[in-house]
Amino acid sequence: GESVGLHLPTLSVQEGDNSIINCAYSNSASDYFIWYKQESGKGPQFIIDIRSNMDKRQGQRVTVLLNKTVKHLSLQIAATQPGDSAVYFCAENIVGGADGLTFGKGTHLIIQP
Amino acid sequence: AAGVIQSPRHLIKEKRETATLKCYPIPRHDTVYWYQQGPGQDPQFLISFYEKMQSDKGSIPDRFSAQQFSDYHSELNMSSLELGDSALYFCASSLTGAEETQYFGPGTRLLVL
Repeated sequence: GESVGLHLPTLSVQEGDNSIINCAYSNSASDYFIWYKQESGKGPQFIIDIRSNMDKRQGQRVTVLLNKTVKHLSLQIAATQPGDSAVYFCAENIVGGADGLTFGKGTHLIIQP
Repeated sequence: AAGVIQSPRHLIKEKRETATLKCYPIPRHDTVYWYQQGPGQDPQFLISFYEKMQSDKGSIPDRFSAQQFSDYHSELNMSSLELGDSALYFCASSLTGAEETQYFGPGTRLLVL
């Protein structure tokens, strides 16, 4: 993918506010989408996933929205906490297709006290 | 719950040396994936294995090879190392047929001097 070097998009929110992280995916044939959270020096941690036959899925404090028409995915985090500070990646795949996930460019979420 | 285990966690090598990274998937998972993540970049898929056979191939250099063993652990062999190989290398695993979610290990940080 295209390199963005060390300059990740950044989202700064106040502790307790809701966060919305957006992602534009590339392949209209993709039918499985995952959000990962990656803290510094650690591996991507699974947050929530959604299949293309759904447009919304909720987890604990997180909601993923999928708009297939415009190939857009969003992650909403309710009542953001300091521990939510991390880089968030969306990833896409085709069930039964190629194995490798295609990751979007990460967003660095910063929580202001 | 048991997670993906990777070793070593850190590795320093000289140019033109070789390196071997190991991955132990989550128990019962039958598919392993290798990803490379450069500084400030998203993970890039390298290669995957299902039931000890190569399943899919991504942007893995010819200098790299990998295999999956009978106990499902996998090794990524890297030869003629170059400065540009310095990166985080992640292994992920999944259980084919049950779910598509790939769970990532903590990564191996490789530094080539």
